[in-house]
Amino acid sequence: DQQVKQNSPSLSVQEGRISILNCDYTNSMFDYFLWYKKYPAEGPTFLISISSIKDKNEDGRFTVFLNKSAKHLSLHIVPSQPGDSAVYFCAAVRGSRDDKIIFGKGTRLHILP
Amino acid sequence: DAGVTQSPTHLIKTRGQQVTLRCSPKSGHDTVSWYQQALGQGPQFIFQYYEEEERQRGNFPDRFSGHQFPNYSSELNVNALLLGDSALYLCASSLGTGPSPLHFGNGTRLTVT
Repeated sequence: DQQVKQNSPSLSVQEGRISILNCDYTNSMFDYFLWYKKYPAEGPTFLISISSIKDKNEDGRFTVFLNKSAKHLSLHIVPSQPGDSAVYFCAAVRGSRDDKIIFGKGTRLHILP
Repeated sequence: DAGVTQSPTHLIKTRGQQVTLRCSPKSGHDTVSWYQQALGQGPQFIFQYYEEEERQRGNFPDRFSGHQFPNYSSELNVNALLLGDSALYLCASSLGTGPSPLHFGNGTRLTVT
């Protein structure tokens, strides 16, 4: 039962252009969402998060959009840089510190020179 | 400021054996979560420890057990290893009430032969 779905296993984007990574969720009880980035041989690193009371959160080149009615969120990276090549995980949680964070399967982003 | 550290980095065990993985949380963090990441999958929640107690558990059998020590470090034990237990085991730490981003270690790669 995949509660957090990342339907694109991989994505290739030209350097300097916008990268858009998508994520869908099924559990309407989720109210806090996170994006993590993972390089090979390293653990995932927290990138950006958004609470369900917002529909957008920005941090530098990274923006996360949340559409609660569609149970959809997306991560925009502008402009894309070679160092952005990594696996990106979408994750969701019900908002309590006692609750587990559920991860999607990830999307591998390739930034092309 | 040390981040999350895990040991060992790699481990090879035989089916039926037992294994113990160790984790030291980021300085100042009091909550430790363990995740299993199989090849091509996202991290799957095993359990979470806070105040030396298991607070949350994912869909893993009782062969998976853990412990948290007074200094907040943690161990993950897996008994009667199966081939399917081969995976990257990630430890993550966090702090505070409400949802907070997890800080991950680089993981322990377990291979069961």
